[in-house]
This record gives sequence, structure tokens and C-alpha cells, in this order.
Amino acid sequence: DVVLTQTPPTLSATIGQSVSISCRSSQSLLHSNGNTYLHWLLQRPGQSPQLLIYSVSRLESGVPNRFSGSGSGTDFTLKISGVEAEDLGVYYCVQGTHAPPWTFGGGTKLELK
Amino acid sequence: VQLVESGGGLVQPGKSLKLSCSASGFTFSSYGMHWIRQAPGKGLDWVAYISSSSGTVYADAVKGRFTISRDNAKNTLYLQLNSLKSEDTAIYYCARRRAREGVMDAWGQGASVTVSS
Repeated sequence: DVVLTQTPPTLSATIGQSVSISCRSSQSLLHSNGNTYLHWLLQRPGQSPQLLIYSVSRLESGVPNRFSGSGSGTDFTLKISGVEAEDLGVYYCVQGTHAPPWTFGGGTKLELK
Repeated sequence: VQLVESGGGLVQPGKSLKLSCSASGFTFSSYGMHWIRQAPGKGLDWVAYISSSSGTVYADAVKGRFTISRDNAKNTLYLQLNSLKSEDTAIYYCARRRAREGVMDAWGQGASVTVSS
């Protein structure tokens, strides 16, 4: 199974600060069809997860453009350009390239400094 | 798009429980659906998937004990949980799979399952 390793596990930020979260895969996530099925989710406190970024870099409808995704192969990054209070919570990467099983990273908790 | 889970509760080890996920706001029969769980204070863990044509796959940890199914006439997804163990204690989420990108693009609010004597 593919293992996704997220760093850091916890991230402290001030409002307006830009931050990045890394997601590294134990195998390349480039599918034989040329697509890369690596996505990012946010779980706010007490809520269910919601989709932020899909296919590495595509912003889900309704998600602010301060969120961006990049990467290829085994290394991926989620960047927030100017953290806002509503961005606090736990961020997860998830892969579907080598599914089943679908696997999630361990999560990165974004908190206020 | 709305997904609403129900059927959670407290159950003894070795017993059974059936979760439901009621879907609305989209053509349920056209989408594959997942169950994902989250143990207390832990991360997300994929459990099972059913395609729009009712093909199924399971995580090794639940294979042979859990059964995913769907009733397209009722716009409802199910998860039958048998031979429950304490390690099955979690919030269980249903999620829709968007076919083109294979992404879990909509999630329910979750149903809590506690396995304890």
C-alpha cells in the first residue's frame, strides 16, 4: 500500500502568514493514464472533511484562491498564501492513483501562534 | 449535494450494526461511494467503496466483516458492520466519488460507532 507522509505534523501560524505543508508518497503517484490522483482535504474542528485541491493543483469550486497545490511524482505541497482564521484545522493529503486502498496522510494540524 | 449518515450507536464486541447514508441533490445512481472512518483523535482511514454498478472493494482490516451496499431507488448507501471489535470504534463518514478525477468531493457529517462492553 502507498504510504503518504505529511510534514510538519503541527504548524503554528499568525493571521496573514504564508505556510506550506508537504506530502511525500512511498511510490510515484503518476498514473499510467498520465493523471496524478493526489488531493488535499481540510477538516475544521468538529466538522467533516472538505475537498480543497484535487489532482495536485486544481482548486475545488468555492475554495479561496489563497490555497494552491503543486508537485509531481512523490513530492507534493499545499500552500496557503495568507492564513485566515477560518483556515485552522487539520489538512490531509489522499491518493487514489494506487487504489484500492485509498490512503491518507497522517494529517497536519494548523493552529494559531 | 447532501449526505446524511444514520444508524450509529453503542454496541458490544462481536455484535452487528448497520449504517445508512441518505443522499440528495445529485443523481445518486451515477456515482461511486466510499465509507471512511476516523478513530477518536486519529486520522482518516478508508473502509470500503462501491461503484455505480455495485462493484465493491474493502480495506483489509474490515474484509469479511463489513459489507457495503446501495439502494439506488432509495438514494441510500449502507454499511453492514458485523463481528465488531473495539478497534472499529470511530466516526464513519460516507463520501461521494467524482468519477473524472476520482476524488472524494462531498462528505456527510458522520455517524459515531462505539464498540464496548
